[in-house]
Amino acid sequence: DAGVIQSPRHEVTEMGQEVTLRCKPISGHDYLFWYRQTMMRGLELLIYFNNNVPIDDSGMPEDRFSAKMPNASFSNLKIQPSEPRDSAVYFCASSLASRGGDTEAFFGQGTRLTVV
Amino acid sequence: AQSVAQPEDQVNVAEGNPLTVKCTYSVSGNPYLFWYVQYPNRGLQFLLKYITGDNLVKGSYGFEAEFNKSQTSFHLKKPSALVSDSALYFCAVRDLYNFNKFYFGSGTKLNVKP
Repeated sequence: DAGVIQSPRHEVTEMGQEVTLRCKPISGHDYLFWYRQTMMRGLELLIYFNNNVPIDDSGMPEDRFSAKMPNASFSNLKIQPSEPRDSAVYFCASSLASRGGDTEAFFGQGTRLTVV
Repeated sequence: AQSVAQPEDQVNVAEGNPLTVKCTYSVSGNPYLFWYVQYPNRGLQFLLKYITGDNLVKGSYGFEAEFNKSQTSFHLKKPSALVSDSALYFCAVRDLYNFNKFYFGSGTKLNVKP
């Protein structure tokens, strides 16, 4: 498997524009997580899914943020409208459920978002 | 609530010396514990995990970690540090009683000097 794939790797956009970040999890994984990393706040969990269903979105900062998982092989995170303070690296991760010891999460390479 | 603490923002060590990166945890039941490493401009990479069994677990790149239930700690160790080990290290715990959520520590920057 190629691992968790995120696109784009880099995104520069103007304030007010809609941004869409994409993630393809590892095939067969039950869980998908979206994280945001900044120098100030470290690694923050935004939302996660189990079997394509959102379980906890309490980390989503505002209504401007939304995430969907229409099927087991794709998720997207949208920011509309984007603001400069949304600039960060966004990571997607996937894992199996906690069984058989195969419990670790696998991370994508991240999308570096810059909102100017 | 479950949590993970990494008390040191930064650890400095000379190449060839042993290194320790500290982690303590708080969980309701038996912990699933992890260490990850992040190199610049990269995603987090899994290093090792403790699920059950032997308290000393070995992982990638010569790293190991010791699970200590009485001290609720899971410190990362390596007998001889390399300059290439310089990176950001994260400890994490998986909460089996809260929909398998992962809790990450704040990260520790390891600097290995030649």
